[in-house]
Amino acid sequence: GEDVEQSLFLSVREGDSSVINCTYTDSSSTYLYWYKQEPGAGLQLLTYIFSNMDMKQDQRLTVLLNKKDKHLSLRIADTQTGDSAIYFCAETAGGYQKVTFGIGTKLQVIP
Amino acid sequence: GAGVSQSPSNKVTEKGKDVELRCDPISGHTALYWYRQRLGQGLEFLIYFQGNSAPDKSGLPSDRFSAERTGESVSTLTIQRTQQEDSAVYLCASILKGSDYGYTFGSGTRLTVV
Repeated sequence: GEDVEQSLFLSVREGDSSVINCTYTDSSSTYLYWYKQEPGAGLQLLTYIFSNMDMKQDQRLTVLLNKKDKHLSLRIADTQTGDSAIYFCAETAGGYQKVTFGIGTKLQVIP
Repeated sequence: GAGVSQSPSNKVTEKGKDVELRCDPISGHTALYWYRQRLGQGLEFLIYFQGNSAPDKSGLPSDRFSAERTGESVSTLTIQRTQQEDSAVYLCASILKGSDYGYTFGSGTRLTVV
């Protein structure tokens, strides 16, 4: 079945860049997402990328996709304390197929 | 509404009791999903509804779990004879037909079975 893996924890200093990595197994993945979950809140869609793209940039966020290696990363430039949250990688083949989520990476930003 | 609304936000129940969780999707969103998030775990798919089609129940962990949705409106997730392992945050999400740009999630219901 589909599987999405992420590291559990990342700690960075305020102002540095954060890179959160994710690997997935489903070769039919069409859409890949990054969600952010702040304490006590639901998941908020941060950004997404289609499988035919290598990179997507959105302000401080850069998503890189290596489809051959099934590797997705999220880079947050100039990380702020407000970026402290859990970041979930997710993928779907689309067409109302269920979205498979990773376990989430907890990002801690040290002032 | 403006977002996906879930109620209650918190629920503490005794083992063996039944609970009902509610999800109000965004108006016009045809697809609705339920996920479970156990402490320190990722999101576990439970069930999804797409319009009037038969729901995909493949993620329901046992026959104690059931869900209903009438048309494209409110959905309820019912857990009968709750067990301690049912303790989790139950998240509902909806998505607009034709959109693949990710779901809109509610804030979840935190269920604690004591």
